[in-house]
Amino acid sequence: AQKVTQAQTEISVVEKEDVTLDCVYETRDTTYYLFWYKQPPSGELVFLIRRNSFDEQNEISGRYSWNFQKSTSSFNFTITASQVVDSAVYFCALSERGNAGNMLTFGGGTRLMVKP
Amino acid sequence: EAGVAQSPRYKIIEKRQSVAFWCNPISGHATLYWYQQILGQGPKLLIQFQNNGVVDDSQLPKDRFSAERLKGVDSTLKIQPAKLEDSAVYLCASSKREQRAEKLFFGSGTQLSVL
Repeated sequence: AQKVTQAQTEISVVEKEDVTLDCVYETRDTTYYLFWYKQPPSGELVFLIRRNSFDEQNEISGRYSWNFQKSTSSFNFTITASQVVDSAVYFCALSERGNAGNMLTFGGGTRLMVKP
Repeated sequence: EAGVAQSPRYKIIEKRQSVAFWCNPISGHATLYWYQQILGQGPKLLIQFQNNGVVDDSQLPKDRFSAERLKGVDSTLKIQPAKLEDSAVYLCASSKREQRAEKLFFGSGTQLSVL
């Protein structure tokens, strides 16, 4: 079973629309971390946010906000008033204890296209 | 602060040839990772180093892939011989420590095409 599922492979919106990227994860660890990374066309993944499993407070950073719900194993990402520069592939990732060390597992990514 | 450096940026080879990728992590970062990203998919961990020791190489196809991190700084990933299915972007990343909470810093990757 996939540990991190991003069901939306591609989303297209018009500038200034709000958009939510979904992420569902699976783990047996009681202590784990969830991340969101952005991959622009240049290819370099850029860290956006980290959330630990004991902190279910939602977080807002400018136009970005994250909703973490342990009850549904989801960690969704919302961009408010989207801009063309937000166009990228967004990855949700889960960090948990693996067989040999800490393992970071990525979802399949959601390609966001923001049109002017 | 300089980021994670990778070279080459692009590489085209024929199947059964060998290829090597180089990575220089952020100065002072003890942990180094190699990820394989096939088109349309998320990155998949190949190997993880802590200083110059291997932490996890369970997903590395050891019959053809090898990696080393001499002196705990730069790292090289090699494929020999390459197969068509090795066509992907190879991403190097580094972090300060080997902990679950650590955020990773990524290089721009090497795009490999195997013909």
